[in-house]
Amino acid sequence: DQQVKQNSPSLSVQEGRISILNCDYTNSMFDYFLWYKKYPAEGPTFLISISSIKDKNEDGRFTVFLNKSAKHLSLHIVPSQPGDSAVYFCAATTFHRDDKIIFGKGTRLHILP
Amino acid sequence: NAGVTQTPKFQVLKTGQSMTLQCAQDMNHEYMSWYRQDPGMGLRLIHYSVGAGITDQGEVPNGYNVSRSTTEDFPLRLLSAAPSQTSVYFCASRIDRLSNYGYTFGSGTRLTVV
Repeated sequence: DQQVKQNSPSLSVQEGRISILNCDYTNSMFDYFLWYKKYPAEGPTFLISISSIKDKNEDGRFTVFLNKSAKHLSLHIVPSQPGDSAVYFCAATTFHRDDKIIFGKGTRLHILP
Repeated sequence: NAGVTQTPKFQVLKTGQSMTLQCAQDMNHEYMSWYRQDPGMGLRLIHYSVGAGITDQGEVPNGYNVSRSTTEDFPLRLLSAAPSQTSVYFCASRIDRLSNYGYTFGSGTRLTVV
């Protein structure tokens, strides 16, 4: 039973345009969400997070939106740059209960020149 | 600071062999976890620990053992390796539950079981 779903295995976006990566979750107990970025042969690196008490969090070119009623979050990258080409993982946890961070399957983002 | 250090980086095992994947962090982090990454499966949680002496199972714990005798180290033991355990294994640590920055990951151990 997949609790965190990233339904798009891959996404191609023109350099300079907006990249939108989507994530859905099924466990209504999740109250903290994270995005990680992963390059080949490296460990994932933390990108941005959002608490369930917020609906938006920004950090430079990266913005995460959370729609709790739809159990949906999205990561917006504006403008997209060549270095953004990587696999992006959405993750979720029950922040105040335990430290299980559950990841989605990832979306491979290709930034096209 | 070295961050999260995983050894070895690569390993080939024969079916039935046992081995320990090492993980050490020098950031005094309380929380540590082991994940495996398989094609099309994302990152799946194997075991995690919220402090020395405390461990718990994740999503896919079968065939693996962990212990946390010190804050710094969190080794993952494969009891009797099987081809299904061929994967890339990542160790991760986090300062505490209140951290906003999620886990810091190691660079991974690529394990092949033949």
